[in-house]
Amino acid sequence: GAVVSQHPSWVICKSGTSVKIECRSLDFQATTMFWYRQFPKQSLMLMATSNEGSKATYEQGVEKDKFLINHASLTLSTLTVTSAHPEDSSFYICSALTGSNQPQHFGDGTRLSIL
Amino acid sequence: AQKVTQAQTEISVVEKEDVTLDCVYETRDTTYYLFWYKQPPSGELVFLIRRNSFDEQNEISGRYSWNFQKSTSSFNFTITASQVVDSAVYFCALSEESTGRRALTFGSGTRLQVQP
Repeated sequence: GAVVSQHPSWVICKSGTSVKIECRSLDFQATTMFWYRQFPKQSLMLMATSNEGSKATYEQGVEKDKFLINHASLTLSTLTVTSAHPEDSSFYICSALTGSNQPQHFGDGTRLSIL
Repeated sequence: AQKVTQAQTEISVVEKEDVTLDCVYETRDTTYYLFWYKQPPSGELVFLIRRNSFDEQNEISGRYSWNFQKSTSSFNFTITASQVVDSAVYFCALSEESTGRRALTFGSGTRLQVQP
């Protein structure tokens, strides 16, 4: 089946640093990838939709300058949390679409903790 | 706008009991998909089922079954003879096809605890 690899799975860093999270589709080409965020004991909320070769579409309330998304190839999308602060601590999870009429495939998520 | 409601925040049952997780959705789209995911403590999302809006047949997969009723906009999930390994947070989700919004809208989740 389709596999999505997300890296790193867990990161702790100091406030003010930038953190890059990678989302790779290992055995298929993903024209569209999604980034979700989940705060503790809450639901998953869509942050942005990433289409290969074009700018990401951000959901209302998500700062595009803080959460930089790059989808440079059909198998890789990256989310960079710039100048991270403790309130950015969350579980970030990506998903990828294999094509129309197909279900999304999720990565295993990245647990980000900002000290 | 689309919305998914899981009114049950937390359910606790004893092993071997049957349990039903409720999901009610709202959408203006005529073509949509409904999903259930399981999220164990480790955090990853485990895909359980996807149902097309035109297919109202109920589905059974082992101890799991799903009841889709368009008339009440519900897509409920039943676990028969629950086991401790079923303990997790379960999310119901919706994606709209006609609008092109393929991203998932998740419910708030139901935390299921199965006691031995």
